[in-house]
Amino acid sequence: NAGVTQTPKFQVLKTGQSMTLQCAQDMNHEYMSWYRQDPGMGLRLIHYSVGAGITDQGEVPNGYNVSRSTTEDFPLRLLSAAPSQTSVYFCASKTAGGPYEQYFGPGTRLTVT
Amino acid sequence: AQTVTQSQPEMSVQEAETVTLSCTYDTSESNYYLFWYKQPPSRQMILVIRQEAYKQQNATENRFSVNFQKAAKSFSLKISDSQLGDTAMYFCAFTHTGANSKLTFGKGITLSVRP
Repeated sequence: NAGVTQTPKFQVLKTGQSMTLQCAQDMNHEYMSWYRQDPGMGLRLIHYSVGAGITDQGEVPNGYNVSRSTTEDFPLRLLSAAPSQTSVYFCASKTAGGPYEQYFGPGTRLTVT
Repeated sequence: AQTVTQSQPEMSVQEAETVTLSCTYDTSESNYYLFWYKQPPSRQMILVIRQEAYKQQNATENRFSVNFQKAAKSFSLKISDSQLGDTAMYFCAFTHTGANSKLTFGKGITLSVRP
């Protein structure tokens, strides 16, 4: 079991560029989510999905798109990168029911210049 | 909406001593879970301990234990016999139960273990 994988680990973008952060899990988890981590802010939820074809917004969704075509994959798209999106991004997954802890990927450090 | 508060941004402890990290939360839910996650310099988020709100007994995992005070909405983490490898950022987190449950994090506390 690889668990939750994310690619790339590091990325530098210029303002206005677009990109997709990849996330995959091999645990057959129904629920997947994306967080961003900024200094002094903890982790904040961007988008989440409770199953293939179902997505919803979290606390900080602006500037990001998601889709869930398969149980395994949950990509996060930055449509037009801005310096405010410089952050560390984590993907996580869990089962739909208990025990409710989420399993995290290794994170992607994104810098927008 | 639920909130999680970690009011201490940093703490330091001598190796082999005991340290307690504080966390308070606010919710109107009756069924929920609380977690402590550890984030070492590698950046990986590691689950340290989990507490179900319906259980009165405090959770323990080896050197890690919690003091769960449901009425006070307090959930502190005690680390006994601190080790250098405990140096990390620690996050308190909350989720209510249900398929749509979302994890809400506190801002974290940086713990340094001194040799």
